Amino acid sequence: QKEVEQNSGPLSVPEGAIASLNCTYSDRGSQSFFWYRQYSGKSPELIMFIYSNGDKEDGRFTAQLNKASQYVSLLIRDSQPSDSATYLCAVNRGFGNEKLTFGTGTRLTIIP
Amino acid sequence: GAGVSQSPRYKVAKRGQDVALRCDPISGHVSLFWYQQALGQGPEFLTYFQNEAQLDKSGLPSDRFFAERPEGSVSTLKIQRTQQEDSAVYLCASGTTGDMWAFFGQGTRLTVV
Repeated sequence: QKEVEQNSGPLSVPEGAIASLNCTYSDRGSQSFFWYRQYSGKSPELIMFIYSNGDKEDGRFTAQLNKASQYVSLLIRDSQPSDSATYLCAVNRGFGNEKLTFGTGTRLTIIP
Repeated sequence: GAGVSQSPRYKVAKRGQDVALRCDPISGHVSLFWYQQALGQGPEFLTYFQNEAQLDKSGLPSDRFFAERPEGSVSTLKIQRTQQEDSAVYLCASGTTGDMWAFFGQGTRLTVV
């Protein structure tokens, strides 16, 4: 079992709809959780982080964390073509600046 | 510069050749990470420095891989006797103490032929 699992996709969503990206992790000691966006040929770019159970909203993005189920998700509202990218879920055992364990990423395509 | 800078951006090496990849972190960033990203995969942790101290090298795949950060700023990842399976993008990231995230450079794409 991989430490961080994501559906590789591709996930296709119509423009303006809600895109839902999911991630599960195996290490119950994980404390902080991150979503990175990676455009083709570019480096990962942090979108959001979350470390408390529940929802965290930032603009069109909402991260959701359920530690009991070892599940973290990212919702993108009013999806735009510019949201088309690979979304990487990453987890960290601590709260400090420590190594991240990444999933393989979900490729998202927004259809105009 | 404003971001993490890596050089070269692209490197083609013949199998068996040694390569050195450079990372210039954001000025003042204490932490520095190296990750390896194979095609279609997420980044995999290689090693971590806090200032000049290499605190974690558990991700280095073999003793052909070596990283250093002698003055706590610029870091070099060296791969000796490159193999085809070393072909990947090598990402460097830096952060300040207490940050909950790291900022990635553009990466070096290594192709071993």
